[in-house]
Amino acid sequence: VLTQSPATLSLSPGERATLSCGASPSLRFNYLAWYQHRPGLAPRLLIYDASTRATGIPDRFSGSGSGTDFTLIISRLEPDDFAVYYCQQYRSSPPTFGGGTKVEI
Amino acid sequence: QVQLVESGGGVVQPGRSLRLSCAVSGFSFNSCGMHWVRQAPGRGLEWVAMISNDESQKYYADSVEGRFTISRDTSKNTLFLQVSSLRVEDTAVYYCARDPNQRFWFDLWGQGTPVTVAS
Repeated sequence: VLTQSPATLSLSPGERATLSCGASPSLRFNYLAWYQHRPGLAPRLLIYDASTRATGIPDRFSGSGSGTDFTLIISRLEPDDFAVYYCQQYRSSPPTFGGGTKVEI
Repeated sequence: QVQLVESGGGVVQPGRSLRLSCAVSGFSFNSCGMHWVRQAPGRGLEWVAMISNDESQKYYADSVEGRFTISRDTSKNTLFLQVSSLRVEDTAVYYCARDPNQRFWFDLWGQGTPVTVAS
């Protein structure tokens, strides 16, 4: 089970966003990914293996953590960053997603 | 252009069937695993099914096992999801997604096709 917090994060452009994802049981090998999903658009892979940025993802996005606690940080929010963010584990089958964190203005 | 484009969704009565398609372009389709992921209204993302690059392996979520069938046609660069015995709870936007290393994370997604199951 993946538990994301907070459910909603209200911030302004230029601010730092810190999103959490708790895993139970622990994720072996840190098999965790983060996605951004804006309404009406395709979801976008940001991070895999907990901390590896996907191709083309700016360094404003960073992932960290291990075991049961993972974090996605967006260092300086830009207008297009306001979206829903999901974590996903691929340690065990079936792959599962957290409930999402909505980052809103 | 590297992209995935889904089609085939619509409004259907409970118990009926649909075939969803995902047209692939811009990359080597036969080198990647492919998945379907869905999102019900007001809910989060739910993984549905996976097919390996060589079609030798197929996996399904418990909620769709026996009712949904994933397949791919390499000659047409197209992924399919045959959805049968549809239930109201299958109402969702269905996304296809690329799995570059067959590790069950998804580096490219389509924009989705909506399926509504209602009487």
